[in-house]
Amino acid sequence: QVQLVQSGAEVKKPGSSVKVSCKASGGTFSSFALSWVRQAPGQGLEWMGEIIPIYGITNYAQSFQGRVTITADKSTSSASMELSSLRSEDTAVYFCTGRFIVNSSSFDYWGQGTLVTVSS
Amino acid sequence: EIVLTQSPVTLSVSPGERATLSCRASQSVSSNLAWYQQKPGQAPRLLIYGASTRATGIPARFSGSGSGTEFTLTISSLQSEDFAVYYCQQWNVWFSFGQGTKVEIK
Repeated sequence: QVQLVQSGAEVKKPGSSVKVSCKASGGTFSSFALSWVRQAPGQGLEWMGEIIPIYGITNYAQSFQGRVTITADKSTSSASMELSSLRSEDTAVYFCTGRFIVNSSSFDYWGQGTLVTVSS
Repeated sequence: EIVLTQSPVTLSVSPGERATLSCRASQSVSSNLAWYQQKPGQAPRLLIYGASTRATGIPARFSGSGSGTEFTLTISSLQSEDFAVYYCQQWNVWFSFGQGTKVEIK
């Protein structure tokens, strides 16, 4: 069974950056694309971007272009998401999700979520 | 950008009753539509993918239908553990989610 385990909660100042990590286990890392989805308090789900580690390809949602960077390390089966120029509206739970690269357009696996709080 | 609109925002249903949730896409997404269930403090759980295929371990009371721009999630007989928020999600060029439907106890 595939598991995605994320790093712990963060508290950041406005204008700074945050990096959240996600480690995969129990599956073939090269079979997956990893996305980041966030959820502000009491709000819905928002897709931020994706990386396909085996190809090194990244795609970012337009609303996060220039502010988000997603990377992956095949040697450790992990991925990271860095969000810069933080503002209070970035306070949210950030989820790492995994989908199979072949014939899948849905997110089969989810990490436990990482709360990022942006506050002065 | 494809916008998904879910209706209703809140659905009040008694246990044992049928629940029907809708998701409309601003343009065709073919069958690239999934449904998720989310309970408070938890990550979403995949229920349906490809518009109508149940994910592994999902009970048969959950069913999905539709293609193109109109989709439906039906829960045939609501159990206590089914009261939650449900999201639809599409993939066309990029991914996006609907705003969610909360299914609450009537």
